[in-house]
Amino acid sequence: GAGVSQSPSNKVTEKGKDVELRCDPISGHTALYWYRQRLGQGLEFLIYFQGNSAPDKSGLPSDRFSAERTGESVSTLTIQRTQQEDSAVYLCASSLTAGGGNQPQHFGDGTRLSIL
Amino acid sequence: DAKTTQPPSMDCAEGRAANLPCNHSTISGNEYVYWYRQIHSQGPQYIIHGLKNNETNEMASLIITEDRKSSTLILPHATLRDTAVYYCIVLEYGNKLVFGAGTILRVKS
Repeated sequence: GAGVSQSPSNKVTEKGKDVELRCDPISGHTALYWYRQRLGQGLEFLIYFQGNSAPDKSGLPSDRFSAERTGESVSTLTIQRTQQEDSAVYLCASSLTAGGGNQPQHFGDGTRLSIL
Repeated sequence: DAKTTQPPSMDCAEGRAANLPCNHSTISGNEYVYWYRQIHSQGPQYIIHGLKNNETNEMASLIITEDRKSSTLILPHATLRDTAVYYCIVLEYGNKLVFGAGTILRVKS
């Protein structure tokens, strides 16, 4: 079956512009996660959704970052007034539910964001 | 911070079993051990997870010690495509995956 799909796969934009990243989770997965991975570093948690609600937004780096999810499906991560330090790969993952530790998260291949 | 310790790198001959160790001495009773791998420029790929018992799937086997303080991921017949960074993770807070530095596995022909 189809895995997690992210678009665009690559995005190059100028500093100060807004960007929108999209994630299509695995069908039927109610939990959706956003992570960031800077070059050569580990994953940094940003936010997760259970259904359309975001119980934990603690990882969002600043108020320039926001995310929403609709129809318990597609999610968009928006970065306003991009800065060069926002350059990274943004990864989306989904799992059947967010409860407990027995639900593997399955990742997309990410959006590689480059801020000039 | 990651709650696991892994060797920085390992080599394995193609066709042989790759045994990747992980220490998680502070794991708590309801925390699961997860293994992921990441091949350059791809997203992390889920491999296997377990709580107490040994687990096996089509990709690998997971052996967890009785005291749960360490585990071993076994790739039974490593191929060149298994060359990747392997991450052992103890799932914290129920939902946030925290990746450490991982083990770079190089499969050589």
